[in-house]
Amino acid sequence: EVQLLESGGGLIQPGGSLRLSCAASGFTFNDYAMNWLRQAPGKGLEWVSTISGSTFATYYADSVKGRFTVSRDNSRDTLYLQMNTLRVEDTAVYYCATNATYPASGAFDLWGQGTMVIVSS
Amino acid sequence: SYELTQPLSVSVALGHTATMTCGGNNIGSKNVHWYQQKSGQAPVLVIYRDTLRPSGIPERFSGSNSGNTATLTITRAQAGDEADYYCQVWDNGEVFGGGTKLTVL
Repeated sequence: EVQLLESGGGLIQPGGSLRLSCAASGFTFNDYAMNWLRQAPGKGLEWVSTISGSTFATYYADSVKGRFTVSRDNSRDTLYLQMNTLRVEDTAVYYCATNATYPASGAFDLWGQGTMVIVSS
Repeated sequence: SYELTQPLSVSVALGHTATMTCGGNNIGSKNVHWYQQKSGQAPVLVIYRDTLRPSGIPERFSGSNSGNTATLTITRAQAGDEADYYCQVWDNGEVFGGGTKLTVL
């Protein structure tokens, strides 16, 4: 079964750091770009970052550029998001997602269940 | 930056047709994807590349895209279709609309 499972969320003070993980299973992880998206409480979806499958090229939303770093370990089928200098406005459910089912579509056809990050003093 | 505009809410009577729009400048030249998100759950892809349905998505779901408006249509609406619906395109990054809350009356 294809699956993504996020972990690492929690309560963190402003200015702190947190690392999220996303474990993939059921597909050839290194063949696909992986993405982080987030959803603040009661708000819509926001793309955060993308990392390509083999070249490890990375892309970031302006809102997190310079503070967040996406990486992947293809030997462990795991995606990471290192979040530094966290702000209250980073509070959200963080999802990892990919297009493993329809790779040419550009759409996110596989999502994890999400992990909650709360930035508060 | 590119913006997508969705109505905050749409209501539809049980068994009738729901139409949700996604507006953007010349959106007809882009590939539009639609997601359904039920309360407390992760989003699910329901339409990709304007009109295509993923496996497992009922034929009642359809999409179109032309000019400055993309549309998601749900025929014979069911109570289980109540959810938030988001449109998405790529424009120097992934861009999402603000979402439409569909209520089935």
